[in-house]
Amino acid sequence: KQEVTQIPAALSVPEGENLVLNCSFTDSAIYNLQWFRQDPGKGLTSLLLIQSSQREQTSGRLNASLDKSSGRSTLYIAASQPGDSATYLCAVGVISNFGNEKLTFGTGTRLTIIP
Amino acid sequence: DVKVTQSSRYLVKRTGEKVFLECVQDMDHENMFWYRQDPGLGLRLIYFSYDVKMKEKGDIPEGYSVSREKKERFSLILESASTNQTSMYLCASSYDFEGITEAFFGQGTRLTVV
Repeated sequence: KQEVTQIPAALSVPEGENLVLNCSFTDSAIYNLQWFRQDPGKGLTSLLLIQSSQREQTSGRLNASLDKSSGRSTLYIAASQPGDSATYLCAVGVISNFGNEKLTFGTGTRLTIIP
Repeated sequence: DVKVTQSSRYLVKRTGEKVFLECVQDMDHENMFWYRQDPGLGLRLIYFSYDVKMKEKGDIPEGYSVSREKKERFSLILESASTNQTSMYLCASSYDFEGITEAFFGQGTRLTVV
């Protein structure tokens, strides 16, 4: 059974710093990996999607990398801002017995950017 | 933009009530999912559906059922609500296109069972 781990559970950094969030998974046979952001009491917003054949994806100040062989992904946030404060979740997509994808989530990293 | 809409942001129900959580997506996605999210446990898959009238159990289906009569609507049903079903419920939809699958989530329903 696929297990997804995110460490640390919480992280506080001063505004302006670059930071890295980590995600590890136990089964390298993944379909893709997706990073989400969740604000308190809200739903999830998709940030980046990396297909299994890709090594990284970039969107603005965000860069996500994927190393399937080692079962790891990182989310790099450059020049952090207070508005980046949120919980960040990674999810790995696997193919179900029915040939469609379903996601397994990590428990998230709660990020606080200190002004 | 893809829009996934859950019918309620907050619900308070009594133990033993039958509860319906509704989810509608407007992008003709084949796949729809219901998750619950609890502190320290993350998101756990309750049920999913890959087509109309089709449903499959996720990791924690006990105490729940689902209905998908139309492609755009996926309903989660708590047959007899219990206090341990107090949680945040999240609906998602996704599509498969040329090997790319991306999931989109609703805003969540915070259910309290008293």
